[in-house]
Amino acid sequence: QKEVEQNSGPLSVPEGAIASLNCTYSDRGSQSFFWYRQYSGKSPELIMFIYSNGDKEDGRFTAQLNKASQYVSLLIRDSQPSDSATYLCAVRDNDMRFGAGTRLTVKP
Amino acid sequence: DAGVIQSPRHEVTEMGQEVTLRCKPISGHNSLFWYRQTMMRGLELLIYFNNNVPIDDSGMPEDRFSAKMPNASFSTLKIQPSEPRDSAVYFCASSQQDREAGANVLTFGAGSRLTVL
Repeated sequence: QKEVEQNSGPLSVPEGAIASLNCTYSDRGSQSFFWYRQYSGKSPELIMFIYSNGDKEDGRFTAQLNKASQYVSLLIRDSQPSDSATYLCAVRDNDMRFGAGTRLTVKP
Repeated sequence: DAGVIQSPRHEVTEMGQEVTLRCKPISGHNSLFWYRQTMMRGLELLIYFNNNVPIDDSGMPEDRFSAKMPNASFSTLKIQPSEPRDSAVYFCASSQQDREAGANVLTFGAGSRLTVL
């Protein structure tokens, strides 16, 4: 069974701080990795994806991938209260499996 | 594009009744996924289709659950008979099945919230 593990959280950071979200996966052959954000009562929405080892930046968000360690992370810089949500890590092979999610609260 | 369309948005039914959830994927997407989300178990993959063909239904909880995709623009998830433990939000998502960067991103529907009394 392919596993995707995330910090159980909850994670609380002050406004303006950096939030760090982590994820590990069990299938060494996995190639595509995604971060989704889910607000309460809403459906998951894509933040960003990453395929290659290293960092990928998009505005305040940076995804980091280390395939050797089977580890992917998401950094949110200058966190805002509107970033408060559950963040889901996902791994895509033919199917797409999600971690349990980490609930982030950004306090004003 | 209107996105992934699911219906009904909310369903309340009694134990033992048949429930049918519907999904219309984004036009041009050739992969369709059904997920179930609960507080206890998170977002679970139930089944997915490529080009209308079921590829992996190992996540379907038991024989009470069935899914079909008769054509590229429509899929159903049926529960018969329903039980209180089936209460959850059911999401449908679609994507292109393509290894090109960004092409295999899943887009989710708004979900169907099912309550079985």
